[in-house]
Amino acid sequence: KAGVTQTPRYLIKTRGQQVTLSCSPISGHRSVSWYQQTPGQGLQFLFEYFSETQRNKGNFPGRFSGRQFSNSRSEMNVSTLELGDSALYLCASSGSGGGTQYFGPGTRLLVL
Amino acid sequence: EDQVTQSPEALRLQEGESSSLNCSYTVSGLRGLFWYRQDPGKGPEFLFTLYSAGEEKEKERLKATLTKKESFLHITAPKPEDSATYLCAVRDNTGGFKTIFGAGTRLFVKA
Repeated sequence: KAGVTQTPRYLIKTRGQQVTLSCSPISGHRSVSWYQQTPGQGLQFLFEYFSETQRNKGNFPGRFSGRQFSNSRSEMNVSTLELGDSALYLCASSGSGGGTQYFGPGTRLLVL
Repeated sequence: EDQVTQSPEALRLQEGESSSLNCSYTVSGLRGLFWYRQDPGKGPEFLFTLYSAGEEKEKERLKATLTKKESFLHITAPKPEDSATYLCAVRDNTGGFKTIFGAGTRLFVKA
């Protein structure tokens, strides 16, 4: 069974730009969660989607948004990028949302 | 407020020197406690899920246990390839299945 895939794996952007990251969950999984990981803050929860609906949201500004499609694939968007948005963005999928989450390899975003 | 605290922050062991990592948590209604292993620059790799106090799970040199307030990850006779960051996370059943991660324990195993 294929694991969680994320694209792109690496991105370099400049301040003020926007970026869209993509996540394909494990086949059959309907819940997708997004996390931001930085050396100083660790893994921080961004949001969770289940059956195309945002079910929970972390404490991030409105510049961070996401969506989920009918095939469970998910995208997250960050608008007006700031230097502090440089991080590893991780996507995780689970079957029902309350169970074990399986992570993708992450997208490394560098904002210059 | 839900919290997860892992200790120690870093642990240096000699190959074969067994030890334990601690994860203490405060959560309203525990839906699950998860252990992950993360290598530098990679996504966390799932190790164990524990659901209720008294539960134990094992995999190779690792054994995870759970009480009402904390979990331990016991590493028996570690090898250098066990060097990684070990993350603990809890998922509650209030407020929409939010998962909270601890800061992790960085484990270094020297040959």
